[in-house]
Amino acid sequence: DTGVSQNPRHKITKRGQNVTFRCDPISEHNRLYWYRQTLGQGPEFLTYFQNEAQLEKSRLLSDRFSAERPKGSFSTLEIQRTEQGDSAMYLCASSLQGQVSPQHFGDGTRLSIL
Amino acid sequence: RKEVEQDPGPFNVPEGATVAFNCTYSNSASQSFFWYRQDCRKEPKLLMSVYSSGNEDGRFTAQLNRASQYISLLIRDSKLSDSATYLCVVIIGGFKTIFGAGTRLFVKA
Repeated sequence: DTGVSQNPRHKITKRGQNVTFRCDPISEHNRLYWYRQTLGQGPEFLTYFQNEAQLEKSRLLSDRFSAERPKGSFSTLEIQRTEQGDSAMYLCASSLQGQVSPQHFGDGTRLSIL
Repeated sequence: RKEVEQDPGPFNVPEGATVAFNCTYSNSASQSFFWYRQDCRKEPKLLMSVYSSGNEDGRFTAQLNRASQYISLLIRDSKLSDSATYLCVVIIGGFKTIFGAGTRLFVKA
């Protein structure tokens, strides 16, 4: 399977703990995106990488959130000092460069904060 | 006002019906447009791109009206398997991606 891969699929943790998610994009895609989705809403844009450069961060991404893509391939999203409001599905997508290139999504990581 | 607005539905239609969804966007600088489909607890999957000239793929037709800033999706001969949430997507500045909240469709036998 050469699609976008995310892990873990599910993460349950206590409030205040740190969590890290991983995304492996489609290999030839140089763009990578992170989104958050809650029930009944569409995905909300969090951040975007072109190769290893993080070019845009949403104001939704508080200082507790950090994302990296050190070698321009896989990416990690870390949430520090988790809060109950962080419970959501975290989706990763990748695409080729170009405004008409569609994004392809991974299965997502579902985060539940106890 | 939300940047991308969709009627949340749900739309309940019988098999074989034709159903149409609209989506409006507020930013006139929007450059690219897509429809995605999302099944319950699954990731969004690309359905089709949307162009001013229209785009047809089998039973699905998408249309963009830049002057009125809306996008439409028409599904003909609905199947049970078309039941899902349909997400309108607008891209600004080449990468800033904004999703609508989605329109839920239920197709019944």
